[in-house]
Order: sequence, then structure tokens, then C-alpha cells
Amino acid sequence: DAGVIQSPRHEVTEMGQEVTLRCKPISGHDYLFWYRQTMMRGLELLIYFNNNVPIDDSGMPEDRFSAKMPNASFSTLKIQPSEPRDSAVYFCASSIVLSGTGELFFGEGSRLTVL
Amino acid sequence: SQQGEEDPQALSIQEGENATMNCSYKTSINNLQWYRQNSGRGLVHLILIRSNEREKHSGRLRVTLDTSKKSSSLLITASRAADTASYFCATGKAGGSYIPTFGRGTSLIVHP
Repeated sequence: DAGVIQSPRHEVTEMGQEVTLRCKPISGHDYLFWYRQTMMRGLELLIYFNNNVPIDDSGMPEDRFSAKMPNASFSTLKIQPSEPRDSAVYFCASSIVLSGTGELFFGEGSRLTVL
Repeated sequence: SQQGEEDPQALSIQEGENATMNCSYKTSINNLQWYRQNSGRGLVHLILIRSNEREKHSGRLRVTLDTSKKSSSLLITASRAADTASYFCATGKAGGSYIPTFGRGTSLIVHP
């Protein structure tokens, strides 16, 4: 298996523009997580899905952020409009189970810079 | 807020020395996991220790868990330059769905 695949790896955009980050989880994994990593706040959980259904989005910072999972093999995280404080590395991770015995498999991340 | 917090924030050692990192958490847990992140890469799972275990080994890694103190430690023995990375602990609350939350990590630099 190719692992969790994220795109783009790097994105530079201007304030106010729409940003869409994409993730393909590992086949057969029922759980998908979106995290954001910054120096100041570390690794924050934004939202997670189970069987394509959003379960907990309490970590989404504000209404400018939205996430979807239209099918088991694809998820998007959208920021509209983007702001400089959204600059961070965004990680997608997937897992087979949510019992604590299953490890998370992370993608390589999408580094977002908003000017 | 983060459930787990790693300490120290940064650690710099010479190759061959041992490296010890600590993780403290706030609420009761079912188990605790340690992850490693190389610069510019995603996190990779290293080891899991369950709440009823006190110590676990995997190669040069040794993890301990003290549930009474709500803390865990990760020991890397005979460190190598290739061990240079950030290390994170992940915890999930006991009695509910395991939602992995991470601390800010410990940045380890091993000098050759």
C-alpha cells in the first residue's frame, strides 16, 4: 500500500484565496483525521471521520474551515477565505480502529503559506 | 488543550549517549503511544504501552508508564545521528473513544 497520500505538499497563496487540501487514506481504514501543526500550538486535531461521516469537528478553528469525505478513499480540507494565521502544516492520518490499539498512519503533510 | 505534554522541549546529545524524553498527561488513559517525526515528514508510530503495563521494550527503545503519576518516559539507548527527530506522545481518554491527542513534542538532536 502506498500509505496516506496528501496533496499538494506545498502551497503558497495570498490572503483571501480559497485553499483546498486533499487526502487519500489507506484502503480499508475506517477513520480519517485532519491535524494542523504549528510551532506555537503543536499538533492540533481539527476533525475526524468514521466511515466517511464527520464525528467531531470541535477542533475546527472557525467557519472558514470545512472538511468533507465524499467516499472512503478521499477527503478534503477547505479554507475559504484564507488568512496568514492559517499558515501551518496540515496532516491527514488514517486508522483501522479507534480503540487506542490501532496506530495512526500519517501522510507527509501539506505545508500552507498564506501571504 | 493538549492531553499529553512532552518534556524537555529540546534535547541535544552526542552519539552513543542515551536520550530520555518524558510525557505527562491529565486524565486517565487506556494506553499511550509514542511517535517520531523526521524533519519535513509525517509522524511514524514507534510503540504503544497499555495502561496495565509498566514497561515495554522495542529494539533500542524502552518505554515506561506510571499511571499514578500520569506520566510516561521514552528512553533511546546508544543513540545514533539518525535518531535526530521530534518525538511525540499520544494519549486517549479512558472509557470512551480513543481520540489521539498530541503534545508539542521533544526535539532531539544527536551529534555524530
